[in-house]
Amino acid sequence: NAGVTQTPKFRILKIGQSMTLQCTQDMNHNYMYWYRQDPGMGLKLIYYSVGAGITDKGEVPNGYNVSRSTTEDFPLRLELAAPSQTSVYFCASSDGATNEKLFFGSGTQLSVL
Amino acid sequence: GESVGLHLPTLSVQEGDNSIINCAYSNSASDYFIWYKQESGKGPQFIIDIRSNMDKRQGQRVTVLLNKTVKHLSLQIAATQPGDSAVYFCAETGRTGRRALTFGSGTRLQVQP
Repeated sequence: NAGVTQTPKFRILKIGQSMTLQCTQDMNHNYMYWYRQDPGMGLKLIYYSVGAGITDKGEVPNGYNVSRSTTEDFPLRLELAAPSQTSVYFCASSDGATNEKLFFGSGTQLSVL
Repeated sequence: GESVGLHLPTLSVQEGDNSIINCAYSNSASDYFIWYKQESGKGPQFIIDIRSNMDKRQGQRVTVLLNKTVKHLSLQIAATQPGDSAVYFCAETGRTGRRALTFGSGTRLQVQP
């Protein structure tokens, strides 16, 4: 199994551009999450989903949107990129039913200039 | 507000010594705690978890201790190896959802050969 796969690994955006960070998991997990990690800091929750068609805001949702049309995919959308969104983005998934252990992807490093 | 924090940002130990990484949490309603290890350029990896109905749990070379009275969590690594060098995060079930973890800011463990 590949686990949690994120694309792209790196991206540079200009202010005001938009992009979608892709995340897919092959573990049939119901729960999926998007976190951002600023340098030297812990992870902050952006959005999460407890199943297909269900999403909810985390701690820092402003400037982002998500959708969950399938169990496998949980894309994160930036509509108008701002320098404050420069960060490393991690997608994660968990079974949820039996344990809350999160499996993380390898991250997307995003710079907004 | 509710938070998860760490006492020491950087911990330096000699190879073969035992390491202890500490974490304080403020949400007395938290019932699940987890430690993650993050190596440079990678996503966090699960180490060990513990539920609030326990005060100790052991894994391979790692032990997590939970003191609910003082809201303190620690991770003990026995016979620390160079491969243990990484940033370690504690996390707890957060206010944004039962299975959406709230992460601390991390402690960097440096193992000297």
